[in-house]
Amino acid sequence: GQQLNQSPQSMFIQEGEDVSMNCTSSSIFNTWLWYKQDPGEGPVLLIALYKAGELTSNGRLTAQFGITRKDSFLNISASIPSDVGIYFCAGQRTSNTGKLIFGQGTTLQVKP
Amino acid sequence: ETGVTQSPTHLIKTRGQQVTLRCSSQSGHNTVSWYQQALGQGPQFIFQYYREEENGRGNFPPRFSGLQFPNYSSELNVNALELDDSALYLCASSGGGGADTQYFGPGTRLTVL
Repeated sequence: GQQLNQSPQSMFIQEGEDVSMNCTSSSIFNTWLWYKQDPGEGPVLLIALYKAGELTSNGRLTAQFGITRKDSFLNISASIPSDVGIYFCAGQRTSNTGKLIFGQGTTLQVKP
Repeated sequence: ETGVTQSPTHLIKTRGQQVTLRCSSQSGHNTVSWYQQALGQGPQFIFQYYREEENGRGNFPPRFSGLQFPNYSSELNVNALELDDSALYLCASSGGGGADTQYFGPGTRLTVL
């Protein structure tokens, strides 16, 4: 099935470092979302972006909806051990279902 | 906590069997979407139910079917299970179908032997 191109695939960083990950698509989306998934759990919504160029923050997390509507990035500042998990981007179109198209995920590990 | 619940948590079946997974949507939500997440992959859209009707389907064969009940809870049924059906099955509820924000449950881990 269709998936977005998400990078990097994995990251191993020191506590306190900043993290950046991004997601690209060959087609346009109306909404970009970022989810975090812990082992054995469902994805939890972190940030939703609804407008091209939009920059939105949620605590130490900042995400942007690319101007072309084909990409988005997520930054995490001053990482802490509980940031460990898998981060997924998802694109959504204004369609009948609004089905989500997901990236492959970025696995983040934080060394205390 | 999203208020979306799924049962069972884990399930083991053998090839050829049938399985039913259940999802209770968040209070006030009338739309349930189902996703399949294979190990190491992002979730893939199976189908969506809005007000008890199928409202769109992904690239899954007909042996994947579903139901939505008047209280907006939902079931996912898979017939003639195959080994590749082993995955985490997620449901997500949203307020009004279409492009409304989707909130996920914890998932059901299905293993097919």
